[in-house]
Order: sequence, then structure tokens, then C-alpha cells
Amino acid sequence: SQQGEEDPQALSIQEGENATMNCSYKTSINNLQWYRQNSGRGLVHLILIRSNEREKHSGRLRVTLDTSKKSSSLLITASRAADTASYFCATDARGNTGKLIFGQGTTLQVKP
Amino acid sequence: KAGVTQTPRYLIKTRGQQVTLSCSPISGHRSVSWYQQTPGQGLQFLFEYFSETQRNKGNFPGRFSGRQFSNSRSEMNVSTLELGDSALYLCASSLEWGGTDTQYFGPGTRLTVL
Repeated sequence: SQQGEEDPQALSIQEGENATMNCSYKTSINNLQWYRQNSGRGLVHLILIRSNEREKHSGRLRVTLDTSKKSSSLLITASRAADTASYFCATDARGNTGKLIFGQGTTLQVKP
Repeated sequence: KAGVTQTPRYLIKTRGQQVTLSCSPISGHRSVSWYQQTPGQGLQFLFEYFSETQRNKGNFPGRFSGRQFSNSRSEMNVSTLELGDSALYLCASSLEWGGTDTQYFGPGTRLTVL
């Protein structure tokens, strides 16, 4: 069963706009990771944020983590057509470490 | 450094057969995990191996098994294939066991069961 839920399930924006995806989870975690997947291919790691961190940046990506609300968000700024993909959050649950639990993902379409 | 490699990339099998998938982790990585991805169930954890030992297991039937070799390469086996086993099987490697490190994924093996 999935621990995480992602919102929205699908998002369509124009190039240059920002895209925000949200992830909620159920149990205490060690860390939360965001991945990108293009057309059923392998997962590309984007960012790992640990439970004691609140915000992380990587290029055009910004991830926040609120452990009190058991939620995280991924912001992609100045989106490009190449950002079109599915985005997944994955949690490493405390007490069951090493087993990533994935959300259902958000499908992002960036129109040129 | 070369990434995680998986072979074969595509497989077609018939019900009742068995299949073996292979995964070579990033050099120096000692932990290998396997995941199944289907449209209906999404990404689900199968098992994790570290130092040739299974450290964690997901909720899959015993038909799904795996092993890890001394060079950290891993194989997973599915016996008595069912139609529902059609999926993308993804392997991931990380430096150490325990989920504290980033897991890097391979391109996957797409298995079709007819």
C-alpha cells in the first residue's frame, strides 16, 4: 500500500511558469526523496531531504518538509518543456528503514 | 561513474514460466533494492539486499525471490509467472544499508507475461 499521496495527480502549465507538487505521508520518516520519471523509464533522483531539515534547494528545484503536517512540496521554477515527466515522492519510514514508500505521483506537462 | 545497469531491458514470457533479472549497482554501492511498478499499484518495494543478506522485504508472494553476490550484483527471480506480474522492475543501489543514503535507480526491466 502507498504511504504517500500526491497532489495534484496531473498538472499542465506553460513554459516559464512555476510548478508546485505536494506530497503527504502517514508515518514518521528518516528522510523524503523526490524522483522524476520520463515515460516509464527509470527514476532520476532529484533531492533528498532529511527529517531534521525544513528546506533544500537544487538549481531550479526547491523542496520543503513539514514533519508536523507530514507533508512535503516540490517547487520547480521557470519550468521548461524538458521538465515534462512524472514526479514521485518517496519516504523512508522510521523503524522500517531501507524501504522506500512511493506516492502515486504527479504527472507534469509543460507546454512550449 | 557508471550508473545502475539492469539486464535484460525487455522480456516477454508466458504464464507459468520463470524469469531472472539482473542488476549491477554503482561501483562502491553495497545496498541493492528492487521495486515493481505497475499502472494499478504504482511503485512497490520488493526487497533490499546488503552484504549478500536480505535486510527488508515487501508484501509479495514467495514466488518473488532475490539474492546478492559478493560483488554486490543482485538478481531477482520470479517463478510460475502470472499475468499480473507484467510490470517494470526497477533496481536501485545506495552506498549503505538503512535508507539514509540516496537510492539511485537503473533504467528498469520491462516484463510482459502473456
